[in-house]
Amino acid sequence: DGGITQSPKYLFRKEGQNVTLSCEQNLNHDAMYWYRQDPGQGLRLIYYSQIVNDFQKGDIAEGYSVSREKKESFPLTVTSAQKNPTAFYLCASRLGRSNTEAFFGQGTRLTVV
Amino acid sequence: AQSVTQLDSQVPVFEEAPVELRCNYSSSVSVYLFWYVQYPNQGLQLLLKYLSGSTLVKGINGFEAEFNKSQTSFHLRKPSVHISDTAEYFCAVSGDINAGGTSYGKLTFGQGTILTVHP
Repeated sequence: DGGITQSPKYLFRKEGQNVTLSCEQNLNHDAMYWYRQDPGQGLRLIYYSQIVNDFQKGDIAEGYSVSREKKESFPLTVTSAQKNPTAFYLCASRLGRSNTEAFFGQGTRLTVV
Repeated sequence: AQSVTQLDSQVPVFEEAPVELRCNYSSSVSVYLFWYVQYPNQGLQLLLKYLSGSTLVKGINGFEAEFNKSQTSFHLRKPSVHISDTAEYFCAVSGDINAGGTSYGKLTFGQGTILTVHP
């Protein structure tokens, strides 16, 4: 089955630790996205990538980093510089650019204690 | 820059009543518009999209939306809602951004509208 897989579903980390969230897709999509979701704030764009080895900062990139070494994979690292990392993180991908539908993973809920 | 404003954070409605969820957008480039639905602790699913052509678009589960360029709006409607429509709904705008010789498709979402259908 084709789709987007985010892992793990739940993640707990201690304050001050870096943590990496996984996002893999087997849809052969070019573009991939990371969003953060907080109650009442909708989805806010962290990073996005149109091609391998290239990506752009979104609206709230501070404290996050990404890599795009393979077309299928777009991992997100939440660093210790992110002041309030507890949130629901969603990964998405789409085939082309603006005129195509985005497909979403099931999300990772990160809790920092 | 592009942005989306969903005018209502929560919309309560009784079963079988009509509903409208409002969305306004702004963008400096040509845009494409989407509505997504999210059930608790899940990802998002596409309801419908406007790419070009007819300004009235129909989606899944009986939803439809109308693109109004002059008012920069893309409101979602359903003539008769069901309990199962209870969920959070997101409006999104998509446009091409050029940076460093590469064209990126930026996808920006609104704050979401929680639709609660009461029996």
